[in-house]
Amino acid sequence: AQTVTQSQPEMSVQEAETVTLSCTYDTSESDYYLFWYKQPPSRQMILVIRQEAYKQQNATENRFSVNFQKAAKSFSLKISDSQLGDAAMYFCAYRSGGSNYKLTFGKGTLLTVNP
Amino acid sequence: EAEVAQSPRYKITEKSQAVAFWCDPISGHATLYWYRQILGQGPELLVQFQDESVVDDSQLPKDRFSAERLKGVDSTLKIQPAELGDSAMYLCASSWAPQETQYFGPGTRLLVL
Repeated sequence: AQTVTQSQPEMSVQEAETVTLSCTYDTSESDYYLFWYKQPPSRQMILVIRQEAYKQQNATENRFSVNFQKAAKSFSLKISDSQLGDAAMYFCAYRSGGSNYKLTFGKGTLLTVNP
Repeated sequence: EAEVAQSPRYKITEKSQAVAFWCDPISGHATLYWYRQILGQGPELLVQFQDESVVDDSQLPKDRFSAERLKGVDSTLKIQPAELGDSAMYLCASSWAPQETQYFGPGTRLLVL
């Protein structure tokens, strides 16, 4: 079974600075997808960024980018120019590329942005 | 922008009582998921529907939990009887198809006393 590990329960960053959230995963599959989801307090979970395992190029979405190291099974999220609205719980998630489409989530990292 | 709707947002019940949660997915989304998120943990899939059919309920405690999506649109998750350990956030998500991005609702926070 696939597992997702987020080793940082909490992180903090100063507004306008850069922060990196870590995620590692364990799988024997070669075809899969990785995601970062953001869950603000009392609000729904939203997709931040998605990475296909077959793509060597790291995904980027505006201020959000990933460092995908397939051999090391590492998938970190970098948030540049942090804003107060980035404060949230961030979840790393794995999905098989086969017929099982369920998401397997890590335990999350709580990000605090200090003004 | 279309969103996944869930109700109620909060539910307090006593153990051994029955509770039900409702989810209305984004219009046109054929795939619907129910997740349970225990405090301090990531969500875990309980059940996945494709249209009105269950495609994965391997993690659903079937002795007390049931889920249905009779017309392939909205869905209901029921717990009977509720236990203290069922206290959690119950999240509904939907997607156009199983391989597409999942969009989450705001969740129902359940407290069992």
